[in-house]
Amino acid sequence: EAGVTQFPSHSVIEKGQTVTLRCDPISGHDNLYWYRRVMGKEIKFLLHFVKESKQDESGMPNNRFLAERTGGTYSTLKVQPAELEDSGVYFCASSPPGLAGGTDTQYFGPGTRLTVL
Amino acid sequence: RKEVEQDPGPFNVPEGATVAFNCTYSNSASQSFFWYRQDCRKEPKLLMSVYSSGNEDGRFTAQLNRASQYISLLIRDSKLSDSATYLCVVRSSGTYKYIFGTGTRLKVLA
Repeated sequence: EAGVTQFPSHSVIEKGQTVTLRCDPISGHDNLYWYRRVMGKEIKFLLHFVKESKQDESGMPNNRFLAERTGGTYSTLKVQPAELEDSGVYFCASSPPGLAGGTDTQYFGPGTRLTVL
Repeated sequence: RKEVEQDPGPFNVPEGATVAFNCTYSNSASQSFFWYRQDCRKEPKLLMSVYSSGNEDGRFTAQLNRASQYISLLIRDSKLSDSATYLCVVRSSGTYKYIFGTGTRLKVLA
C-alpha cells in the first residue's frame, strides 16, 4: 500500500512569492492533516480535513495560508505571500475514518522543506 | 507551559544498554497517546500506541500513568539503529489533532 506522498520535497522561494504544497493521502483515508515544524520547535498542527470539509483550522497561523481538498482526495496548502518565518518542514498526515480504537493513528508523509529567503 | 513536555537529550548510551524516556502532558482530557520515531530529515513514524494497561513490542515497553499524567518508553538492549528522535504525541478527547513534544534525541554508541 502506498504511503502519504508530498510534493515538492524541497522549495526555496523569496519573500513575497507564492508556494503551493501538495499532499496525497493514503487511499481510503478520509482524514487529512497538515502540520509544520519550524527550526528548533515542536511539530505543530495546522488543520484537519474530513473528506473535502475543513474540520479544524485552529492551527493556521494567519490568512496567508490557504488549504484546500477539492473532491476529498489530495490537498494543497498555499502560502501567499510567503514570509521569512514560514520557513520550516510541512508535514501532511492521513488516517482512516473515525476515532475508534486504532483508527486514530496518523501516517505521515515525508514532508516539504520550505525555505523563504 | 507546553502541553507535552520531553527532555530533549541527547541521551548517549552504549549498545546493549537500557534507556528510558518520560513525557508529561498537561491536559487531563487527553485520550490517546503515542510514541513516534523520527530519523534525521525524515517523517515521524509510529513506534507504538500507549495503552492504560501498558504495552510491549519486542525490546520496547510503553507505560501510561493517567493519575500523574506521564508516559514512558523503555528501550532494552539498545541497538545502533535505535539512534533517532523519539516523539511523545498526545490526542485529546473530541479532537483529531496531535500535540507533539519536542522530542528526545537518542544516540546509541558502539
